[in-house]
Amino acid sequence: KNQVEQSPQSLIILEGKNCTLQCNYTVSPFSNLRWYKQDTGRGPVSLTIMTFSENTKSNGRYTATLDADTKQSSLHITASQLSDSASYICVVSEGSTLGRLYFGRGTQLTVWP
Amino acid sequence: KAGVTQTPRYLIKTRGQQVTLSCSPISGHRSVSWYQQTPGQGLQFLFEYFSETQRNKGNFPGRFSGRQFSNSRSEMNVSTLELGDSALYLCASSTPTDSYEQYFGPGTRLTVT
Repeated sequence: KNQVEQSPQSLIILEGKNCTLQCNYTVSPFSNLRWYKQDTGRGPVSLTIMTFSENTKSNGRYTATLDADTKQSSLHITASQLSDSASYICVVSEGSTLGRLYFGRGTQLTVWP
Repeated sequence: KAGVTQTPRYLIKTRGQQVTLSCSPISGHRSVSWYQQTPGQGLQFLFEYFSETQRNKGNFPGRFSGRQFSNSRSEMNVSTLELGDSALYLCASSTPTDSYEQYFGPGTRLTVT
Protein backbone atom coordinates (compact mmCIF):
# COMPACT_ATOMS: atom_id res chain seq x y z
CA LYS A 1 0.00 0.00 0.00
CA ASN A 2 1.35 3.41 -0.99
CA GLN A 3 1.85 5.55 2.08
CA VAL A 4 3.75 8.59 3.30
CA GLU A 5 4.62 8.88 6.98
CA GLN A 6 6.02 12.00 8.60
CA SER A 7 7.67 12.50 11.95
CA PRO A 8 7.50 14.07 14.35
CA GLN A 9 3.83 15.02 14.30
CA SER A 10 4.68 18.29 16.04
CA LEU A 11 7.83 20.08 17.05
CA ILE A 12 8.63 23.15 19.13
CA ILE A 13 12.00 24.85 18.80
CA LEU A 14 13.54 28.15 19.83
CA GLU A 15 14.21 30.86 17.31
CA GLY A 16 17.66 30.53 15.77
CA LYS A 17 17.89 26.77 16.29
CA ASN A 18 18.04 24.16 13.54
CA CYS A 19 15.64 21.28 13.09
CA THR A 20 15.09 18.26 10.86
CA LEU A 21 11.78 16.82 9.76
CA GLN A 22 11.46 13.26 8.48
CA CYS A 23 9.43 11.65 5.72
CA ASN A 24 9.30 7.91 4.96
CA TYR A 25 7.37 6.57 2.01
CA THR A 26 6.39 3.30 0.41
CA VAL A 27 5.11 4.74 -2.87
CA SER A 28 6.14 2.69 -5.86
CA PRO A 29 6.98 3.34 -8.58
CA PHE A 30 8.47 6.63 -7.47
CA SER A 31 8.49 9.81 -9.53
CA ASN A 32 9.28 12.73 -7.27
CA LEU A 33 9.07 13.98 -3.71
CA ARG A 34 8.02 17.45 -2.69
CA TRP A 35 8.06 19.40 0.52
CA TYR A 36 5.41 22.04 1.08
CA LYS A 37 5.02 24.69 3.76
CA GLN A 38 1.50 25.56 4.81
CA ASP A 39 0.79 28.56 6.99
CA THR A 40 -2.40 28.47 9.04
CA GLY A 41 -5.42 29.30 6.90
CA ARG A 42 -3.46 29.30 3.64
CA GLY A 43 -2.74 26.92 0.82
CA PRO A 44 0.55 24.97 0.74
CA VAL A 45 3.57 26.55 -0.91
CA SER A 46 6.22 24.43 -2.58
CA LEU A 47 9.67 24.43 -0.97
CA THR A 48 11.53 21.76 -2.94
CA ILE A 49 10.91 19.08 -5.55
CA MET A 50 13.32 16.16 -5.97
CA THR A 51 13.34 13.42 -8.56
CA PHE A 52 14.90 9.98 -8.26
CA SER A 53 18.34 11.15 -9.32
CA GLU A 54 18.56 14.06 -6.89
CA ASN A 55 19.64 13.51 -3.30
CA THR A 56 19.72 17.06 -2.03
CA LYS A 57 18.11 20.37 -2.88
CA SER A 58 18.17 23.70 -1.12
CA ASN A 59 15.83 26.66 -1.01
CA GLY A 60 17.34 29.34 1.20
CA ARG A 61 17.42 28.05 4.77
CA TYR A 62 15.56 24.89 3.75
CA THR A 63 17.53 21.84 2.61
CA ALA A 64 15.82 18.62 1.57
CA THR A 65 17.56 15.29 1.18
CA LEU A 66 16.33 12.15 -0.50
CA ASP A 67 17.52 8.57 -0.16
CA ALA A 68 15.62 6.66 -2.82
CA ASP A 69 17.11 3.34 -1.69
CA THR A 70 15.74 3.57 1.83
CA LYS A 71 12.75 5.65 0.72
CA GLN A 72 13.45 8.40 3.19
CA SER A 73 13.58 12.14 2.94
CA SER A 74 14.37 14.87 5.41
CA LEU A 75 13.84 18.61 5.49
CA HIS A 76 16.43 20.56 7.42
CA ILE A 77 15.68 24.10 8.53
CA THR A 78 18.64 26.24 9.48
CA ALA A 79 18.59 29.20 11.87
CA SER A 80 14.84 29.03 12.36
CA GLN A 81 12.72 32.16 12.36
CA LEU A 82 9.31 32.88 13.84
CA SER A 83 7.88 32.86 10.32
CA ASP A 84 8.91 29.22 9.94
CA SER A 85 6.02 28.29 12.25
CA ALA A 86 3.79 26.27 9.92
CA SER A 87 2.85 22.77 8.86
CA TYR A 88 5.37 21.03 6.61
CA ILE A 89 3.91 18.45 4.29
CA CYS A 90 5.77 15.73 2.38
CA VAL A 91 4.17 14.66 -0.91
CA VAL A 92 5.29 11.75 -3.06
CA SER A 93 4.26 11.38 -6.69
CA GLU A 94 3.67 7.93 -8.14
CA GLY A 95 5.71 7.19 -11.23
CA SER A 96 2.86 5.94 -13.38
CA THR A 97 0.90 7.61 -16.15
CA LEU A 98 -1.60 8.81 -13.56
CA GLY A 99 1.09 10.36 -11.42
CA ARG A 100 -1.08 10.07 -8.32
CA LEU A 101 0.05 12.09 -5.30
CA TYR A 102 0.35 10.71 -1.79
CA PHE A 103 0.41 13.12 1.12
CA GLY A 104 1.89 12.88 4.57
CA ARG A 105 -0.12 14.33 7.41
CA GLY A 106 2.46 16.98 8.05
CA THR A 107 4.71 18.11 10.87
CA GLN A 108 3.45 21.12 12.80
CA LEU A 109 6.46 23.28 13.59
CA THR A 110 6.26 26.04 16.19
CA VAL A 111 9.16 28.43 16.62
CA TRP A 112 9.26 30.29 19.93
CA PRO A 113 11.10 33.56 20.49
CA LYS B 1 0.75 37.25 -12.53
CA ALA B 2 -2.29 36.52 -10.39
CA GLY B 3 -2.23 33.37 -8.29
CA VAL B 4 -4.85 30.68 -7.96
CA THR B 5 -8.09 32.13 -6.66
CA GLN B 6 -10.88 30.29 -4.92
CA THR B 7 -14.36 31.47 -4.09
CA PRO B 8 -15.95 31.69 -1.70
CA ARG B 9 -13.32 31.68 1.04
CA TYR B 10 -15.76 30.64 3.75
CA LEU B 11 -19.05 28.83 3.58
CA ILE B 12 -21.53 27.48 6.10
CA LYS B 13 -24.10 24.93 4.98
CA THR B 14 -26.49 22.55 6.69
CA ARG B 15 -26.64 18.79 6.31
CA GLY B 16 -28.39 17.63 3.18
CA GLN B 17 -27.68 20.78 1.19
CA GLN B 18 -25.37 20.95 -1.78
CA VAL B 19 -22.49 23.32 -2.42
CA THR B 20 -20.45 24.50 -5.39
CA LEU B 21 -16.91 25.79 -5.00
CA SER B 22 -15.00 27.65 -7.69
CA CYS B 23 -11.35 27.76 -8.65
CA SER B 24 -9.60 30.00 -11.16
CA PRO B 25 -6.12 28.73 -12.04
CA ILE B 26 -3.10 30.80 -12.89
CA SER B 27 -3.35 32.15 -16.40
CA GLY B 28 -2.00 29.59 -18.87
CA HIS B 29 -2.34 26.63 -16.50
CA ARG B 30 -4.57 23.92 -17.90
CA SER B 31 -4.48 21.38 -15.09
CA VAL B 32 -6.56 21.89 -11.95
CA SER B 33 -6.57 19.52 -9.00
CA TRP B 34 -8.85 19.53 -5.97
CA TYR B 35 -7.99 18.41 -2.44
CA GLN B 36 -9.80 18.04 0.84
CA GLN B 37 -7.88 18.85 4.01
CA THR B 38 -9.06 17.89 7.49
CA PRO B 39 -7.14 17.80 10.77
CA GLY B 40 -7.63 14.05 11.07
CA GLN B 41 -6.86 12.95 7.52
CA GLY B 42 -4.55 15.63 6.24
CA LEU B 43 -4.62 16.42 2.53
CA GLN B 44 -6.57 14.01 0.35
CA PHE B 45 -6.79 14.09 -3.43
CA LEU B 46 -10.26 14.51 -4.90
CA PHE B 47 -9.75 14.79 -8.66
CA GLU B 48 -7.75 16.42 -11.41
CA TYR B 49 -8.98 18.06 -14.59
CA PHE B 50 -6.98 18.80 -17.70
CA SER B 51 -8.44 20.47 -20.77
CA GLU B 52 -12.00 19.95 -19.51
CA THR B 53 -11.49 16.21 -18.93
CA GLN B 54 -11.19 14.43 -15.60
CA ARG B 55 -7.75 12.85 -15.76
CA ASN B 56 -7.45 11.40 -12.28
CA LYS B 57 -9.77 10.67 -9.38
CA GLY B 58 -9.30 9.95 -5.70
CA ASN B 59 -11.32 7.67 -3.43
CA PHE B 60 -14.28 9.87 -2.64
CA PRO B 61 -17.98 9.02 -2.98
CA GLY B 62 -19.97 10.09 -5.99
CA ARG B 63 -21.42 13.00 -4.01
CA PHE B 64 -18.20 14.79 -4.89
CA SER B 65 -18.03 15.88 -8.50
CA GLY B 66 -16.27 18.47 -10.55
CA ARG B 67 -15.92 19.99 -13.96
CA GLN B 68 -13.63 22.25 -15.88
CA PHE B 69 -14.56 24.91 -18.36
CA SER B 70 -12.87 25.88 -21.60
CA ASN B 71 -11.10 28.78 -19.86
CA SER B 72 -9.62 26.24 -17.37
CA ARG B 73 -11.71 27.50 -14.48
CA SER B 74 -13.01 24.62 -12.41
CA GLU B 75 -15.86 23.96 -10.06
CA MET B 76 -16.43 21.21 -7.58
CA ASN B 77 -19.81 20.22 -6.25
CA VAL B 78 -20.73 18.31 -3.13
CA SER B 79 -24.29 17.08 -2.90
CA THR B 80 -26.19 15.90 0.16
CA LEU B 81 -23.67 17.40 2.57
CA GLU B 82 -22.64 15.48 5.66
CA LEU B 83 -21.04 16.77 8.85
CA GLY B 84 -17.83 14.97 7.85
CA ASP B 85 -17.55 17.11 4.73
CA SER B 86 -16.49 20.04 6.88
CA ALA B 87 -12.98 20.77 5.69
CA LEU B 88 -10.66 23.11 3.85
CA TYR B 89 -11.01 22.50 0.11
CA LEU B 90 -7.92 23.41 -1.83
CA CYS B 91 -7.43 23.74 -5.53
CA ALA B 92 -4.07 23.69 -7.27
CA SER B 93 -3.04 24.43 -10.83
CA SER B 94 -0.04 23.19 -12.77
CA THR B 95 2.09 24.70 -15.49
CA PRO B 96 1.82 23.24 -18.96
CA THR B 97 5.56 22.59 -19.09
CA ASP B 98 6.23 21.45 -15.54
CA SER B 99 3.51 19.22 -14.18
CA TYR B 100 5.60 18.58 -11.06
CA GLU B 101 5.00 22.06 -9.73
CA GLN B 102 1.58 22.77 -8.27
CA TYR B 103 0.41 26.15 -7.13
CA PHE B 104 -2.25 26.11 -4.47
CA GLY B 105 -5.05 28.56 -3.87
CA PRO B 106 -5.96 29.81 -0.39
CA GLY B 107 -8.78 27.30 -0.06
CA THR B 108 -12.47 27.39 0.78
CA ARG B 109 -13.33 26.64 4.39
CA LEU B 110 -16.60 24.68 4.37
CA THR B 111 -18.48 24.15 7.61
CA VAL B 112 -21.46 21.80 7.62
CA THR B 113 -23.83 22.12 10.58
